[in-house]
Amino acid sequence: GQGVEQPDNLMSVEGTFARVNCTYSTSGFNGLSWYQQREGHAPVFLSYVVLDGLKDSGHFSTFLSRSNGYSYLLLTELQIKDSASYLCAVRMPNYNVLYFGSGTKLTVEP
Amino acid sequence: DPKIIQKPKYLVAVTGSEKILICEQYLGHNAMYWYRQSAKKPLEFMFSYSYQKLMDNQTASSRFQPQSSKKNHLDLQITALKPDDSATYFCASSQETGGREQYFGPGTRLTVL
Repeated sequence: GQGVEQPDNLMSVEGTFARVNCTYSTSGFNGLSWYQQREGHAPVFLSYVVLDGLKDSGHFSTFLSRSNGYSYLLLTELQIKDSASYLCAVRMPNYNVLYFGSGTKLTVEP
Repeated sequence: DPKIIQKPKYLVAVTGSEKILICEQYLGHNAMYWYRQSAKKPLEFMFSYSYQKLMDNQTASSRFQPQSSKKNHLDLQITALKPDDSATYFCASSQETGGREQYFGPGTRLTVL
């Protein structure tokens, strides 16, 4: 099967940072996307990475290491409203299929 | 105004029945998708369509049949419903096939009794 793994839960404190990890072992790879999903709502696109290294998008940054099958989403200056689930998804070589991880539920405490 | 409309928002069905989930997108996108999200499970890719043609089918069961009457419509027909089909079904779209950024509709929560 296609393995995209994420920790279930993560807690952090308002004003600090949180790093959401994602590891993958898929039969192919053509990029990795991050989505935010609030309870009872649809996923919302955050970022896409296909090259190794760190991509800074302000409040969100993403890192990718293709040789290690690893990515993370870094959220800085956390706010309470950042509390949500964060999903990573691997895009397969045919470009159409996305395999999602089960998501990490981030709780930001005051 | 909502850019992707899914109808209905909630749906309750009995085992063995048939239902159609509606999806319309007003983003001018050429690719549309269906996903399923069950409790405690990852968001699961089901189908992708491009210019009203089926591109990928990752659903093992033929009970799930997408239907595209217009470029911005992609409905999902589910026959012989089972309790295991209970899930939230999300429609999504992107500008082109394999688009890096997919936009998701609000979902239809299906409960099969």
